[in-house]
Amino acid sequence: EPEVTQTPSHQVTQMGQEVILRCVPISNHLYFYWYRQILGQKVEFLVSFYNNEISEKSEIFDDQFSVERPDGSNFTLKIRSTKLEDSAMYFCASRAAGVDTQYFGPGTRLTVL
Amino acid sequence: GNSVTQMEGPVTLSEEAFLTINCTYTATGYPSLFWYVQYPGEGLQLLLKATKADDKGSNKGFEATYRKETTSFHLEKGSVQVSDSAVYFCALTPNNAGNMLTFGGGTRLMVKP
Repeated sequence: EPEVTQTPSHQVTQMGQEVILRCVPISNHLYFYWYRQILGQKVEFLVSFYNNEISEKSEIFDDQFSVERPDGSNFTLKIRSTKLEDSAMYFCASRAAGVDTQYFGPGTRLTVL
Repeated sequence: GNSVTQMEGPVTLSEEAFLTINCTYTATGYPSLFWYVQYPGEGLQLLLKATKADDKGSNKGFEATYRKETTSFHLEKGSVQVSDSAVYFCALTPNNAGNMLTFGGGTRLMVKP
């Protein structure tokens, strides 16, 4: 069964450094998403992406964040200058056209020191 | 805006007990409703969904019915197993172009043998 994959599973970085989180969505899916879950809190929407542009973004997704689909398979989330409060589990999700179900990857745990 | 409220956990049950996890929502229009499950150390997996009023979603013995009159989507299982121990998230999507998911806070279920 096809699945969403994410790398790395755990990323540790110093405050102020740039990080790139990588996702490979399910191959025939056209809609891509990033969510985050701060430890012990609810899962929060960050951004949705379709046809090479952002469809929606939340208040969390400020100028420090960017997304890109650099090729036909990868979908990345970049945080330009990480802050301590960016420490969270980041989930990528994708869905096919015409259906409402999103499929999630296993997540990347980001720890900012 | 859209919101989802779940009963707080943890919910602790003995094996073979009946499970109910309450979920209510606030949304405009006709959202689709979902239950996702997160097993320890893993990502989010879709458990079941319902797309319109009075639909019942079911999977692995779990059920939830979309009740528009009470804006609820309570999760039930007749006989829980130790392997059901996980965090359960109720979520909705408004079925617009972006289809972002709004999650409840999650309910941790612990099933004891």
